[in-house]
Amino acid sequence: GAGVSQSPSNKVTEKGKDVELRCDPISGHTALYWYRQSLGQGLEFLIYFQGNSAPDKSGLPSDRFSAERTGGSVSTLTIQRTQQEDSAVYLCASSLNAGGSISPLHFGNGTRLTVT
Amino acid sequence: KNEVEQSPQNLTAQEGEFITINCSYSVGISALHWLQQHPGGGIVSLFMLSSGKKKHGRLIATINIQEKHSSLHITASHPRDSAVYICAVRADSNYQLIWGAGTKLIIKP
Repeated sequence: GAGVSQSPSNKVTEKGKDVELRCDPISGHTALYWYRQSLGQGLEFLIYFQGNSAPDKSGLPSDRFSAERTGGSVSTLTIQRTQQEDSAVYLCASSLNAGGSISPLHFGNGTRLTVT
Repeated sequence: KNEVEQSPQNLTAQEGEFITINCSYSVGISALHWLQQHPGGGIVSLFMLSSGKKKHGRLIATINIQEKHSSLHITASHPRDSAVYICAVRADSNYQLIWGAGTKLIIKP
């Protein structure tokens, strides 16, 4: 595929359960971002991966949220013990960011998470 | 005060009108992005700017680094342009993106 792929596209889960959201960035893109957008709200930064550097986790709202990026490619965002306020669209974006150059962002279609 | 301010927050216009959306920021940046989010939620990157002006079809984006201001213009607006337009800057202190709150544009036929 040519674009950023996210799965699942929709996820309904019960309060207290754990969920995993997956992002496949564009091949070769070294930068990967996770954002979330709650209903009627703007985009909220969660975490940023750049190559092999330590990720910028400053946007994670609580210790129930964690993310990994294996092999510099696929990323998984995990939410433990989900709460209703976690309901949102979770968006992943990637960019080339090679050698310090600035490159456009490419967004996935998002995962719509509903916690009941 | 937010580091990225967009104006207006909401804009309703008639088909064919010239549209301007503004973005002001208060931090040093390495790049500025204009993005479009449709009602279905999908986000598309329209422009990435570090200086000057870019044009794509009916869309024009400009940036003035000294004034820390960017504008997105839409010429001959059409109802399909109705969307939320978002400005985001990449701070030059790190690679984090700082987002504006978005401008909701409605173009009436």
